[in-house]
Amino acid sequence: AQSVTQLGSHVSVSEGALVLLRCNYSSSVPPYLFWYVQYPNQGLQLLLKYTSAATLVKGINGFEAEFKKSETSFHLTKPSAHMRDAAEYFCAVSDRGNAGNMLTFGGGTRLMVKP
Amino acid sequence: DAGVTQSPTHLIKTRGQQVTLRCSPKSGHDTVSWYQQALGQGPQFIFQYYEEEERQRGNFPDRFSGHQFPNYSSELNVNALLLGDSALYLCASKGNSYGYTFGSGTRLTVV
Repeated sequence: AQSVTQLGSHVSVSEGALVLLRCNYSSSVPPYLFWYVQYPNQGLQLLLKYTSAATLVKGINGFEAEFKKSETSFHLTKPSAHMRDAAEYFCAVSDRGNAGNMLTFGGGTRLMVKP
Repeated sequence: DAGVTQSPTHLIKTRGQQVTLRCSPKSGHDTVSWYQQALGQGPQFIFQYYEEEERQRGNFPDRFSGHQFPNYSSELNVNALLLGDSALYLCASKGNSYGYTFGSGTRLTVV
């Protein structure tokens, strides 16, 4: 069974600082990988996804993530944090087969941005 | 272009009651999935519907059931509500391309 681990349930950075949110997955074969953001009282918005050979994936709002097979990781980064980035971030995986592509989510990381 | 629409946005029910949540997928999408998100946790997959049939199911009891209509909209039904069913219920839809679009969810409180 697939699983996702997000290290750090809370991350605090200063405005303008680097954002690094960690995600490690467990899967027998490289899965599809996703990062979603959730603002208070809202649903999930897709930031970016990895579904192909390109290991560095660029998403919306200046975020990017790098797939590292050897480390089974898909960490999310942003060079310079903005106040509007404060939210909950979820890493998710799904298998590459034709099994309905259900998403398995990590527990989430709450990003706080200090002025 | 409307995204995924869920109704109602909030709901309060008593233990033992039954509840129905509704979802209209994004235009052009034909696959609908439901997720339960307890407070402070990541979403958990409940089930997925495609062509009006349940295609995949997560680790949820039979009290959780669903339906998909010919227009691709979907319902989630929960019977014999427990306090532990209190959560945000998210609907997600997808079409031919990969990637799910999520709705804003229904916040269910069981008292």
